[in-house]
Amino acid sequence: DTAVSQTPKYLVTQMGNDKSIKCEQNLGHDTMYWYKQDSKKFLKIMFSYNNKELIINETVPNRFSPKSPDKAHLNLHINSLELGDSAVYFCASSPEIEDSLGETQYFGPGTRLLVL
Amino acid sequence: AQSVAQPEDQVNVAEGNPLTVKCTYSVSGNPYLFWYVQYPNRGLQFLLKYITGDNLVKGSYGFEAEFNKSQTSFHLKKPSALVSDSALYFCAVRGYSNYQLIWGAGTKLIIKP
Repeated sequence: DTAVSQTPKYLVTQMGNDKSIKCEQNLGHDTMYWYKQDSKKFLKIMFSYNNKELIINETVPNRFSPKSPDKAHLNLHINSLELGDSAVYFCASSPEIEDSLGETQYFGPGTRLLVL
Repeated sequence: AQSVAQPEDQVNVAEGNPLTVKCTYSVSGNPYLFWYVQYPNRGLQFLLKYITGDNLVKGSYGFEAEFNKSQTSFHLKKPSALVSDSALYFCAVRGYSNYQLIWGAGTKLIIKP
């Protein structure tokens, strides 16, 4: 059973398009994250949701909008895609965030986005 | 401000030799320290963490890390490297009362046969 899954695995699209990446976790975790990994492999947190509520929102363009329909899902919608959005996007989850500063994060396999 | 430094972009080790991947941190209060590994075209996997207690932490795949408070370091070690250990290794830290993990830039570990 896949703990954290993402779809699609690969996404190739044109500049200006709107696209979504879906993430689902079956671990019963309360907290989910979106990360961006650039071409130099640098990992950057984008968003974090706890029980469907946004708790971390780093400096990310407004074109990026996370949506959490329930605590098992955290989708990422990107409007007006730009060349610089090309990266690997990782979803992750961890148990309840309060009193869980030492909790492990579980990562999905990543979505490789290429904007042409 | 919290920060994590992985001073080496790449570490090369011969198979069978001991390996060390370095990590230093800056955080207010007691740190929560993590190591994750990323194999090619895969997501990150948890290796080990330090929360409290014994400074030497043992993790997956024979890896261990030593928390050194005076040197603010949390170096990852393995006594005998395997070719299959070749991957990208990330150190991360979370300070008390801060939910956000701060990630290092990653160190590419190459184990040569």
